[in-house]
Amino acid sequence: GNSVTQMEGPVTLSEEAFLTINCTYTATGYPSLFWYVQYPGEGLQLLLKATKADDKGSNKGFEATYRKETTSFHLEKGSVQVSDSAVYFCALSGNYGQNFVFGPGTRLSVLP
Amino acid sequence: EAGVAQSPRYKIIEKRQSVAFWCNPISGHATLYWYQQILGQGPKLLIQFQNNGVVDDSQLPKDRFSAERLKGVDSTLKIQPAKLEDSAVYLCASSLEREITEQYFGPGTRLTVT
Repeated sequence: GNSVTQMEGPVTLSEEAFLTINCTYTATGYPSLFWYVQYPGEGLQLLLKATKADDKGSNKGFEATYRKETTSFHLEKGSVQVSDSAVYFCALSGNYGQNFVFGPGTRLSVLP
Repeated sequence: EAGVAQSPRYKIIEKRQSVAFWCNPISGHATLYWYQQILGQGPKLLIQFQNNGVVDDSQLPKDRFSAERLKGVDSTLKIQPAKLEDSAVYLCASSLEREITEQYFGPGTRLTVT
């Protein structure tokens, strides 16, 4: 079945550091890929998505590129801020929006 | 626009008791999802509705969990009887379409089974 693996946390960075959170997936067909974020005390919300190979999703300075050849969707940001402290979840869905699968989440703490 | 509403926000019950959660999706959203999120893990999809029909319930423990979505709007998720391992946050989400789209999540119901 479909599955998502992402790097274990917690990840602790200083403000303005470069961020990478690795995500790899296993899926049949042509999944769509997502990054969701959960800020402290808030609900899950979509950060960015990509629906086909080589697509790049971007939002709030975060980017991720759908790499079919390496089955990866790594999240990057060039300069993190304290306000980016949150838990980040990589996720995928099947061909027709079915079978949503989330990774275990990576907690990011950004220190001033 | 109002978000996904869930109630109650917190619930504490003893094992073998029953419990029910309620979800009101965003108006006009045809697809509704229930997830279970155990502490330290990602959400696990329990059931997905399209209007009032079930699209996917492959991971729903049907011996104790049940869900319904009457009239294709509100939904309830029930656990009967509860086990200790059911302690988790139960998340409801909704989306405009069934196909590859953004899910909007509610605040969740935190269930503690003692």
